[in-house]
Amino acid sequence: QKEVEQDPGPLSVPEGAIVSLNCTYSNSAFQYFMWYRQYSRKGPELLMYTYSSGNKEDGRFTAQVDKSSKYISLFIRDSQPSDSATYLCAMSNNAGNMLTFGGGTRLMVKP
Amino acid sequence: GAVVSQHPSWVICKSGTSVKIECRSLDFQATTMFWYRQFPKQSLMLMATSNEGSKATYEQGVEKDKFLINHASLTLSTLTVTSAHPEDSSFYICSARAGVATNEKLFFGSGTQLSVL
Repeated sequence: QKEVEQDPGPLSVPEGAIVSLNCTYSNSAFQYFMWYRQYSRKGPELLMYTYSSGNKEDGRFTAQVDKSSKYISLFIRDSQPSDSATYLCAMSNNAGNMLTFGGGTRLMVKP
Repeated sequence: GAVVSQHPSWVICKSGTSVKIECRSLDFQATTMFWYRQFPKQSLMLMATSNEGSKATYEQGVEKDKFLINHASLTLSTLTVTSAHPEDSSFYICSARAGVATNEKLFFGSGTQLSVL
């Protein structure tokens, strides 16, 4: 079993829809949770960065962390075709240097 | 956010040759940089952690003599793929931590697509 599980998709939604992306994890030591967006053949771009449990909102993006369930989510409101990309969740513990990535979910927003 | 520049963005080389990839932090000093490898439709796999002024730490299964990492300054790390073979063809991405604390955010370069003929 992988430390971080993420549905690979593809997830196809119409423009304007609310998108929900999720990851589950098994390591209770993870404290820092991130979401990255990666366009094809480009490096990942940091979208959201959260510490411990709770919600964080930034524009059309909302990140949620539920440490009790070991479950994190990224919501995208009013999705746009330009949001079409692969979304990677990542997490790390307090003392670690490394990020553990999910496998990524490919999102397609159709006009 | 902080900017990490990676060059070249793509390279094609003959089997047996060596290829160097550069990763620069443009507006911050990076004591630690990371090198990842990504195959199509797969996630990033950490290859090694590069610390300025010391030897890199390689992940299990990554040949340190094949993937040479040099982190000679606080703004530059290089990955050299030596005696490249077609199975080394992949997308290589570097990242750098914008700070010294272990929980500082990571920023990624734009990646290098390596194709070995």
